[in-house]
Amino acid sequence: QVHLQESGPGLVKPSETLSLTCTVSGDSVSSGGRYWTWIRQPPGKGLEWVGYISYSGSTSHNPSLKSRVTMSLHTSKNQFSLKLSSVTAADTAVYYCARVAIAARAFNIWGQGTMVTVS
Amino acid sequence: QSALTQPPSVSGSPGQSVTISCTATASDVGSYNPVSWYQQPPGTAPKLIIYEVSIRPSGVPDRFSGSESGNTASLTISGLQAEDEAHYYCSSYRSSSTSYVFGTGTKVTVL
Repeated sequence: QVHLQESGPGLVKPSETLSLTCTVSGDSVSSGGRYWTWIRQPPGKGLEWVGYISYSGSTSHNPSLKSRVTMSLHTSKNQFSLKLSSVTAADTAVYYCARVAIAARAFNIWGQGTMVTVS
Repeated sequence: QSALTQPPSVSGSPGQSVTISCTATASDVGSYNPVSWYQQPPGTAPKLIIYEVSIRPSGVPDRFSGSESGNTASLTISGLQAEDEAHYYCSSYRSSSTSYVFGTGTKVTVL
């Protein structure tokens, strides 16, 4: 059974960098055919795709976030991470990590989410 | 602003059917950008309920069905149950920009 778990600070100051890690169990971040993704949801609002890193390390991110997004794979720990720089209150959200099965192009496994407040 | 538009809310009585639309530009909905659907009950993480327009993952009840016509994808819940009360989101993959987009979301209320 595949399980994803987000971790990181719940409070970040404006202009600083938000850092989150997703720990994967039951699958390998190095396995082919996967995108490891980040999705966020501001309080009371809808879902917003942040970006993904593939099993090979290639990345793609939401153009609206410009160049603030950095994603990495940590294969020895079976984790992947998100860094979002120069945060503002608009980045306050629940952040979810999720797995995409590339063949299905759908987010088929989700973490429980972690709330990050910028203040 | 999302490129996938959903109605803000739909409602129905137990046992009835409701349909949620997901309308996009031609670049987001089509043969090479299959739509998926997610259910999000209050206070929980979203869950995949339909992928590749109409395929249900294992464990998803068959009262959930998906379809597509032109630039609009649809999710139908037949035989509405109280536990179906949740927010529902569509999503599509944009192959031209290797990115994903979510719909605006629809709240389903069981009367």
